[in-house]
Amino acid sequence: DIQMTQSPSSLSASLGDRVTITCRASQTISRYLNWYQQKPGKAPELLIYTASSLQSGVPSRFSGSGSGTDFTLTISSLQPEDFATYYCQQSYSSLTFGGGTKVEI
Amino acid sequence: EVQLVESGGGLVQPGGSLRLSCAASGFTFSDYYMDWVRQAPGKGLEWVGRTRNKANSHTTEYAASVKGRFTVSRDDSKNSLYLQMNSLKTEDTAVYYCVRVGATADTFDYWGQGTLVTVSS
Repeated sequence: DIQMTQSPSSLSASLGDRVTITCRASQTISRYLNWYQQKPGKAPELLIYTASSLQSGVPSRFSGSGSGTDFTLTISSLQPEDFATYYCQQSYSSLTFGGGTKVEI
Repeated sequence: EVQLVESGGGLVQPGGSLRLSCAASGFTFSDYYMDWVRQAPGKGLEWVGRTRNKANSHTTEYAASVKGRFTVSRDDSKNSLYLQMNSLKTEDTAVYYCVRVGATADTFDYWGQGTLVTVSS
């Protein structure tokens, strides 16, 4: 199975900060990498698919990049509604998620 | 509007069985792959299993952790997805989400609100 490792597991940030979350795959997954946001008590929501494509309705302050084994999710200017846990997910071979990154104030 | 509504969760003893249901609306259910994803309390997300659409013969796939114990099925005439869970273990305790698989690269584009399954004596 392909293992997905996110870093950091948690981070503290302030409103307006630029935030970057990293996801590393245990083997190459081309660009088959998606990002999700989950708020407490809610289901996850799709943010980014195929590494860099923004899901419809997602604010443009979210962006994704990377290919092969290394990927990043960037929030250009953190807003109050962005405090949440973020997960990466690979779909190259079977389906596995990273462990999550909690973004806190 | 796409809606996915799970039901059937609850408390079950180790070794027991439970059947989850998911009622779908707002899209052509038969066209889509449908998955189950779970989340243990305070933990991350784990893919559980999939049923493909009619065009792909409703074939199924499972995570190694549930293969042989869980069965994913669907009834396109009822716009419904099911998860039959047998030989339940305490480590199966989780919120179970019904998820639609988007047309692009195995994305999970719509999620239900989840139903909690607790396996405990």
